Amino acid sequence: QVQLVESGGGLVKPGGSLRLSCAASGFAFSDYYMSWIRQAPGKGLEWVAYITSGGTTMDYADSVKGRFTISRDNTNYSLSLQMNSLRAEDTAVYFCARDRVKWGGPYYFDFWGQGILVTVSS
Amino acid sequence: DIQMTQSPSMLSTSAGDRVTITCRASQRINSYLNWYQQKPGTAPKLLIYAASSLQRGVPSRFSGSGSGTDFTLTISSLQPEDFATYYCQQSYRTPYSFGQGTKLEIK
Repeated sequence: QVQLVESGGGLVKPGGSLRLSCAASGFAFSDYYMSWIRQAPGKGLEWVAYITSGGTTMDYADSVKGRFTISRDNTNYSLSLQMNSLRAEDTAVYFCARDRVKWGGPYYFDFWGQGILVTVSS
Repeated sequence: DIQMTQSPSMLSTSAGDRVTITCRASQRINSYLNWYQQKPGTAPKLLIYAASSLQRGVPSRFSGSGSGTDFTLTISSLQPEDFATYYCQQSYRTPYSFGQGTKLEIK
């Protein structure tokens, strides 16, 4: 069965860096785009970034552009989010999610990890 | 960017009720509209994709409709396990965006 497991969260000071990882299993990882989505405490969902199946194209929300970098390792079924210059407003639960399949079709997030908390505070 | 607006933000309902949640996009998104259910402390779960297609394993009491800018999620007869927060999401173009959520509460 499809599984996505995030790791790497925690407490970091403003201006600091953190790297999140997402271990994927149960599906052909290299066939799917992948996304990161976050949810601030008590708030709604915010899409953060996506990466294409081959890892050649990425896109970001304006709120993180230039600070966050999404990447993937298809050999090791792994997705990452490098977060630099962190701000208090980046505090959130971060979810990795399976995005569209590479050969087209409807676009949706059909499987999500359990989420990992990132807290940015001094 | 495409803004998604859900209504209502909160709804007090009872088991057995028929519930309709609406979602409006700030521009036309064809049928690139998905619905998710989220319970406290858990990840969102995909219910409906492409506006009206039921995700595998989701009960048939859930249905979606709409195209263009106006969409609805309907729960035909609320079950106790349906009390949760529901989000719409457009996948027409990035940045993907979600509605602010609709929380179903027990009356």
